[in-house]
Amino acid sequence: DAGVIQSPRHEVTEMGQEVTLRCKPISGHNSLFWYRQTMMRGLELLIYFNNNVPIDDSGMPEDRFSAKMPNASFSTLKIQPSEPRDSAVYFCASRQRLNTGELFFGEGSRLTVL
Amino acid sequence: TQLLEQSPQFLSIQEGENLTVYCNSSSVFSSLQWYRQEPGEGPVLLVTVVTGGEVKKLKRLTFQFGDARKDSSLHITAAQPGDTGLYLCAGDPQSAGKSTFGDGTTLTVKP
Repeated sequence: DAGVIQSPRHEVTEMGQEVTLRCKPISGHNSLFWYRQTMMRGLELLIYFNNNVPIDDSGMPEDRFSAKMPNASFSTLKIQPSEPRDSAVYFCASRQRLNTGELFFGEGSRLTVL
Repeated sequence: TQLLEQSPQFLSIQEGENLTVYCNSSSVFSSLQWYRQEPGEGPVLLVTVVTGGEVKKLKRLTFQFGDARKDSSLHITAAQPGDTGLYLCAGDPQSAGKSTFGDGTTLTVKP
């Protein structure tokens, strides 16, 4: 079975550019999570969805960040405009139910903003 | 303030040694999870502990959930180089789906 699929795996961009990260959760999973991982702050929860509806976006750092889940098999995390401090590994994870069970992570998207 | 405090932050040991890493909080959790992350990959679940005082074993790894369900430990017996990685504990104190992770313990096992 396919796991959580993220793209791109690596992205290098210049400050001010728009960045779009993509995620395909595991089929049948109702909840999707976006995390950001840095050495300084560890693994931070940015936003999560249940049945395609955003439940909590309090972890989104600024208005420059936005996330959508137009259907059960696709989500995007967009940063516009990007800044060097956004450089991090962004993980998407999915789970069968909202508040119980294992989180299955993708391999992450490593973003570098110059 | 970090909801889940992990210690030590870094641990470097020789193959064959034993080690324990800790995950502590002032909050009560209905369950805690331990994940292991290797470089270039996402975290992978090792175990979920649910009952206060529970002990779970996974080969050479022993996980314990504190009686008050505020802390957990991971003990590795006779560590091997393949155990190298970042060990993360995670929990959701309000059972609302908001799984929060500790900062992790980076373990290096030298051959």
